[in-house]
Parts: sequence; structure tokens; C-alpha cells
Amino acid sequence: AQSVAQPEDQVNVAEGNPLTVKCTYSVSGNPYLFWYVQYPNRGLQFLLKYITGDNLVKGSYGFEAEFNKSQTSFHLKKPSALVSDSALYFCAVRDRNKFYFGSGTKLNVKP
Amino acid sequence: EAEVAQSPRYKITEKSQAVAFWCDPISGHATLYWYRQILGQGPELLVQFQDESVVDDSQLPKDRFSAERLKGVDSTLKIQPAELGDSAMYLCASSLASREYGYEQYFGPGTRLTVT
Repeated sequence: AQSVAQPEDQVNVAEGNPLTVKCTYSVSGNPYLFWYVQYPNRGLQFLLKYITGDNLVKGSYGFEAEFNKSQTSFHLKKPSALVSDSALYFCAVRDRNKFYFGSGTKLNVKP
Repeated sequence: EAEVAQSPRYKITEKSQAVAFWCDPISGHATLYWYRQILGQGPELLVQFQDESVVDDSQLPKDRFSAERLKGVDSTLKIQPAELGDSAMYLCASSLASREYGYEQYFGPGTRLTVT
């Protein structure tokens, strides 16, 4: 069965420190993987995607994600967190023309 | 920058009433999605359109929910009658949905529905 897991409900990090938001997936074929961010009472905004190619994908606002096929993971990273990065982050996988979203991870960046 | 439009942004209705949401996707996006997002959870697909055709409505509660995209452009999602458990954010998204363009979806601001 297809699924996406975000094992952490919440991640706390100090401003200026690196951040990682974890995501693992399970699909029957080759995965198309995505990260989205959601601010309060707003829709989701696309950050980055992996379809094929380089395992390190760079996206918007300084975010990047590392695709690891052996670990079936697609963790979101940023070298230096900003307070304005505080939001809800969703990992998603596309499999056979259908999208599956994780349950979300709330990122808190403290000054 | 082109955006997905949704209206209304907020809707309060009493249970057993009818309610409708409207979505206008980004111009040229053939694929349109309606999602329901319960507070604290990820979006759940309700229905997916390719142009005017439904390609997936397996999670749509068809006894009370209906969706249409008559001319393959804008779309309406209707609930009749509304139930307390329908309180959620309803998100619309659109996509070019091709390998060439990467499949990413672009979301509207959502409609926050409260059923009393």
C-alpha cells in the first residue's frame, strides 16, 4: 500500500541552526516526491520535488531535500533556519497518478 | 504570478443545509483536485478531474457530496446535506500533471467550513 510517514509531529530548532524534517514513503513503483509548506489558514505552497536525477534537490526559500532510495526517505533540510520558516510542512508522494500526503510536521524556529 | 482562486474563504452553515464551494484553477491546468483537510492532518483527496472528466472520486462521499467541472475550467464542490463532521478546510489544487512539467500541484487558499 502507498503511504507517506512523517514521524515527528513537531520539530523545534533555534534560529541560525540547521533543520531537518523527516519523511519516509512506501510506493509500489518509482516515487515522485514533494514537499509543501502551509501557513495558518492558507493553502499549501510547493517547495520542491524529486522525480529523477540528482538525489539532492534544491527548492524555494533555501530548502533542499535528500532522496535516499535504500532508506525510502526524502528528508527536508535547511542549513540555517529562520523564524519565518515556522509553519506546517507536508511531504507527499505521487504514485500511479494519485497523491498521498503525510500528516504534517510543525516546525517551530525560535529566535 | 497565476494563482488558484477559491471562494468563499470562510463558510458557516447549519447542519442539514446545502453548501457549495467554487474553484478557478490556473489557466491551462487540465488537472484539478479537491481535497479535505481536517485540522492537524494532511489533505485527503476527494475528487480529481482531468479536463471535465472525473478520474478519481473513490474517497468522495457520494451520498452527500458532488463535484462538477462542466467546461473543464472552473469547478464546484457541493455538500447536501451538511453534517457536523464535514467541518474542515476544503482545498482546491491544479496541475499540468505531466512528466515534462513535474506534476506539482498549486493550491488555492482554501475554504474553511464550519457546520453548526
